[in-house]
Amino acid sequence: AQKVTQAQTEISVVEKEDVTLDCVYETRDTTYYLFWYKQPPSGELVFLIRRNSFDEQNEISGRYSWNFQKSTSSFNFTITASQVVDSAVYFCALSDPYNFNKFYFGSGTKLNVKP
Amino acid sequence: GAVVSQHPSWVICKSGTSVKIECRSLDFQATTMFWYRQFPKQSLMLMATSNEGSKATYEQGVEKDKFLINHASLTLSTLTVTSAHPEDSSFYICSARVRGVKDTQYFGPGTRLTVL
Repeated sequence: AQKVTQAQTEISVVEKEDVTLDCVYETRDTTYYLFWYKQPPSGELVFLIRRNSFDEQNEISGRYSWNFQKSTSSFNFTITASQVVDSAVYFCALSDPYNFNKFYFGSGTKLNVKP
Repeated sequence: GAVVSQHPSWVICKSGTSVKIECRSLDFQATTMFWYRQFPKQSLMLMATSNEGSKATYEQGVEKDKFLINHASLTLSTLTVTSAHPEDSSFYICSARVRGVKDTQYFGPGTRLTVL
């Protein structure tokens, strides 16, 4: 069965600190997709990244970077030099491509960036 | 591109009434749409998968007679909460899968339902 675990419920950092959000997933499928979404207080989910299971290259986008490790079933997200605007709840999700692309969301990590 | 809208963005209703929430894909066709429910400070819980022209597939534990889903066209799915009760108060989010593209899903801004 598919499952996504975000063990960190809430993290608080001071502005300019680096922070890593952990995501561990479970699936029996060899083909799947992993996602990170940001949910600010307004509620709308903001897409950050999609990664398919065959692409283990790490990705960097500005201050954001992602580390995909199939060996440990992890897809961690790092924010470098955090800013107050990064404060939000971040969700990791796993997509089942064989079942209408159903999404399985983790429980989310609330990130508080203090000035 | 790939914008999904929801209407209304928030709604307050009395207990016992029914509320309809619309989910529209504005610039693409969506053969499949998904409805999620999110309680405060919790994750998104998939309620049902809505396929255009056919019956929705509900997740275990979701009452199909209470949460009526209709996907009448390639750009519109509706969720009707029937005989709403205070425990139905939640944030409802829809997403749409782009027709012909398997791995892409776009989320709507959500609808906050409060049942008094």
